[in-house]
Amino acid sequence: GDSVTQMEGPVTLSEEAFLTINCTYTATGYPSLFWYVQYPGEGLQLLLKATKADDKGSNKGFEATYRKETTSFHLEKGSVQVSDSAVYFCALLTWAQKLVFGQGTRLTINP
Amino acid sequence: GAVVSQHPSRVICKSGTSVKIECRSLDFQATTMFWYRQFPKQSLMLMATSNEGSKATYEQGVEKDKFLINHASLTLSTLTVTSAHPEDSSFYICSARGEGETQYFGPGTRLLVL
Repeated sequence: GDSVTQMEGPVTLSEEAFLTINCTYTATGYPSLFWYVQYPGEGLQLLLKATKADDKGSNKGFEATYRKETTSFHLEKGSVQVSDSAVYFCALLTWAQKLVFGQGTRLTINP
Repeated sequence: GAVVSQHPSRVICKSGTSVKIECRSLDFQATTMFWYRQFPKQSLMLMATSNEGSKATYEQGVEKDKFLINHASLTLSTLTVTSAHPEDSSFYICSARGEGETQYFGPGTRLLVL
């Protein structure tokens, strides 16, 4: 079945560091891909998405590019802030319109 | 826009009792709502999908008689955990989808069964 694999956390960085969180997927066809963020004590928020190969999703300085060749959707940010501390989930949308999530990556940014 | 609320945010109950969790889409009509369960430090697992006015579709391994889902209107879905036991303790999250494919998530409900 469809699945998503994220890099294991937790990830701890200093403020202004470069961030990469790896995400790869296995799916039938070419699903839409998403990154969701969960801040402490809150629900999931959509961070960005891409619906087809080579699309780049971007929001709040975060970017991810849909790579069909490597079945990847890595999340990047050039300069992280303390406020970016959260849990990040990569997900795909199956043909049956269901979201399949990765295991989540906890990110902590130190000042 | 696209705000989804859940109530209650936390609930503690005794073993054997039933607990109802509400999920509301506040500013859009949700033709489909989803219920997820999240164990500590783990990912979200889809429990069931509900469409307004029809029976919910449960994922494999989810007991439909234990987790009753009602989607009576385009803005409200409820999940009732019947005869709750300690192993049902978890974080339950709903999401709602209107037009398009994007799901909007509620803040979650933490259930503790004693």
